[in-house]
Amino acid sequence: DSGVTQTPKHLITATGQRVTLRCSPRSGDLSVYWYQQSLDQGLQFLIQYYNGEERAKGNILERFSAQQFPDLHSELNLSSLELGDSALYFCASSSRTSGVHNEQFFGPGTRLTVL
Amino acid sequence: AQTVTQSQPEMSVQEAETVTLSCTYDTSESDYYLFWYKQPPSRQMILVIRQEAYKQQNATENRFSVNFQKAAKSFSLKISDSQLGDAAMYFCAYRLGTYKYIFGTGTRLKVLA
Repeated sequence: DSGVTQTPKHLITATGQRVTLRCSPRSGDLSVYWYQQSLDQGLQFLIQYYNGEERAKGNILERFSAQQFPDLHSELNLSSLELGDSALYFCASSSRTSGVHNEQFFGPGTRLTVL
Repeated sequence: AQTVTQSQPEMSVQEAETVTLSCTYDTSESDYYLFWYKQPPSRQMILVIRQEAYKQQNATENRFSVNFQKAAKSFSLKISDSQLGDAAMYFCAYRLGTYKYIFGTGTRLKVLA
């Protein structure tokens, strides 16, 4: 158990809908990262927050947005869903902003299925 | 642009044998970090080993070790005495600075009994 929690575990929805994925980082971790993993693919970095502020953006679609709240949990919002958005969405957290020990601890992921 | 390449989509190893997974990366930076993550069927991402680019000594964690060749931009993972529980997808990852992580496409490792 990494200490990072994600809810829900599974999500099934229809095209055109909007969903919210939630992530709670490890206690004390200030950074939260979101990744998308499509079937049998590597991880695509979406976005990173540090202590409530957006720090870095990857290949995140305009239909997707995220935020990190004062209690450090984060939400990833996916709207106007398409079939191709079906994937495993990972959240990861890390504590420090530099140094090798800034390893990422991954949550169990949310599996999104768009029908 | 930084890239990470894992050229072996799938590898097989006999139980108790040794296997090496390849990873190459492209960067113009001198200060960075490299990681190997394991993703078993449960889909959980688990850190296996990490290496600082400024260290010449190869990192070792029990049965897992790396061969880090900075000039060649190569970072291979060696698994000794392979066990059935080692069967998983293995991802090589590169970290530049404080936040930019780039993952390879993964190598699926099968362990044969």
